[in-house]
Amino acid sequence: GAVVSQHPSWVICKSGTSVKIECRSLDFQATTMFWYRQFPKQSLMLMATSNEGSKATYEQGVEKDKFLINHASLTLSTLTVTSAHPEDSSFYICSAKDRDSGNTIYFGEGSWLTVV
Amino acid sequence: LAKITQPISMDSYEGQEVNITCSHNNIATNDYITWYQQFPSQGPRFIIQGYKTKVTNEVASLFIPADRKSSTLSLPRVSLSDTAVYYCLVGDAGRRALTFGSGTRLQVQP
Repeated sequence: GAVVSQHPSWVICKSGTSVKIECRSLDFQATTMFWYRQFPKQSLMLMATSNEGSKATYEQGVEKDKFLINHASLTLSTLTVTSAHPEDSSFYICSAKDRDSGNTIYFGEGSWLTVV
Repeated sequence: LAKITQPISMDSYEGQEVNITCSHNNIATNDYITWYQQFPSQGPRFIIQGYKTKVTNEVASLFIPADRKSSTLSLPRVSLSDTAVYYCLVGDAGRRALTFGSGTRLQVQP
């Protein structure tokens, strides 16, 4: 099946610094990638949708200047958490829509962010 | 966006068939129904997707009635390793409109 890879799997950063999470589709081209946030024992919350070569679309309540999303190629999207604070600590998951397989989206392994 | 409801949790025993139902009363014409399995600290894993009627693959079956306002994921002969959270996702990935259910925590006992 289609593989989506995230890096890093976990990261610890100091409050006030920025951290970047990468999402790659390894064996397919993804015109659309989605970024989710998940708190413990809760469902996934869509943060934003990124389309290759265009600006990301953010969900209501998600600060676009804080969560910078770049989708520069058909296989890579990045999420940068800027000026991170402890409340940004969470599990971040990306997913990608296979350009050639209709409506199926595949998820990455997730990235744990801890801000201290 | 479709409003999704799923049971919060379910218990089963090894070898039994488990059916998890998802309600999506205001599903749109272009929406697909997809089920995912998630283990702790991992991303969701694709199980099955359907639009209407019945879909079956090597791990599960998905039943969707004619009105498409609900769907049922059927896991045959579950094992301990099937203990996980199962999410119903409804939407049209091409239009960005995707809604996750709250997830059903399945606990399989020996």
